[in-house]
Amino acid sequence: EAGVTQSPTHLIKTRGQQATLRCSPISGHTSVYWYQQALGLGLQFLLWYDEGEERNRGNFPPRFSGRQFPNYSSELNVNALELEDSALYLCASSIPTGLVYEQYFGPGTRLTVT
Amino acid sequence: EDQVTQSPEALRLQEGESSSLNCSYTVSGLRGLFWYRQDPGKGPEFLFTLYSAGEEKEKERLKATLTKKESFLHITAPKPEDSATYLCAVQVDQTGANNLFFGTGTRLTVIP
Repeated sequence: EAGVTQSPTHLIKTRGQQATLRCSPISGHTSVYWYQQALGLGLQFLLWYDEGEERNRGNFPPRFSGRQFPNYSSELNVNALELEDSALYLCASSIPTGLVYEQYFGPGTRLTVT
Repeated sequence: EDQVTQSPEALRLQEGESSSLNCSYTVSGLRGLFWYRQDPGKGPEFLFTLYSAGEEKEKERLKATLTKKESFLHITAPKPEDSATYLCAVQVDQTGANNLFFGTGTRLTVIP
């Protein structure tokens, strides 16, 4: 069974530009989550999509946005890039397992803003 | 406020030297606690889910346990390939909140 895939692997952008990151969940998973992992910091929750709708978002400004497509893949958009947006962006997908939603992560996209 | 704290930040062990990693949590209601392994520059790899106090899960040299306030990841006779950062995360019992709250991890180095 294929795992969560993300593209691109690396992305280099200039401050002020926009970045688009993509994620394909595990087959059968309808929920997609986005997390940011900045150097030296823990994973911070960004966004949760389920069945095409945004269900919850973390404490990030509105220039972080995204969407989920009918095939459950997802896109994260970061507008007006700032230097501090440089981080590893991780996508996870989940399926209910009893009372919890076990999340399985992709390999990440390393975003560098110069 | 929901909080997850892991200790120690870093741990160096000789090959075969068993030890434990700690994850303490303060949440309004716990739906589940998760352990992940993360290698440098890669995504976290799922290890365990724990649901309730007293529960234990094992996988090869790893055993995870859960109490009402903390979880331990016991590593028995570690090998160099166990070197990684181990992350603890919680899912709170709150409608519309399926996201995970992560600790900052314990960076484990196993020396041959």
